Amino acid sequence: GNSVTQMEGPVTLSEEAFLTINCTYTATGYPSLFWYVQYPGEGLQLLLKATKADDKGSNKGFEATYRKETTSFHLEKGSVQVSDSAVYFCALSGLNRDDKIIFGKGTRLHILP
Amino acid sequence: GAVVSQHPSWVICKSGTSVKIECRSLDFQATTMFWYRQFPKQSLMLMATSNEGSKATYEQGVEKDKFLINHASLTLSTLTVTSAHPEDSSFYICSARLGLAIRWQYFGPGTRLTVL
Repeated sequence: GNSVTQMEGPVTLSEEAFLTINCTYTATGYPSLFWYVQYPGEGLQLLLKATKADDKGSNKGFEATYRKETTSFHLEKGSVQVSDSAVYFCALSGLNRDDKIIFGKGTRLHILP
Repeated sequence: GAVVSQHPSWVICKSGTSVKIECRSLDFQATTMFWYRQFPKQSLMLMATSNEGSKATYEQGVEKDKFLINHASLTLSTLTVTSAHPEDSSFYICSARLGLAIRWQYFGPGTRLTVL
């Protein structure tokens, strides 16, 4: 079945450091891929998405490229801020209306000032 | 963007009581609503999927008599945790899906349930 594997956290970085959170997936067909962010005490927010191979999703300085050949969707940001501290979830969904979103276990990110 | 609200945002109850959590899509009609449960430092676990006017579809291992879902309208779904026990303490998140062809789901802020 479909699944998502992302790097375990917590990840601790200093402000302005480069961020990479790895995510790989297993799926039949060509799913849509997502990154969600969950700030402390809040619900999930869609951060970015990509719907087909080689698409690059971007938002708030974060980027992720849909790599079909490596079945990956790694999240990157060139210079992180303290306000980026949150839990990040990689996820996928199939193409059918009834398909559900499959989430990874989440990666907690701590940014130190 | 689309907004999904949940009420209450947190609730504390005594063991054996029932708790109802509401989920509303504020500015769109949701074809489908989902209920998730999130344990500390874990991912979201899908509990059930509901469509307006029909019975919810529960995931394997989720007790339908324990977690009652009512999807009264295209903008409202409720989750009732019946005879709650401490092990039901968790963060419950609802999500609403917009439209048929669009696969995007919007998530509520969650409800933290603590059962004493």
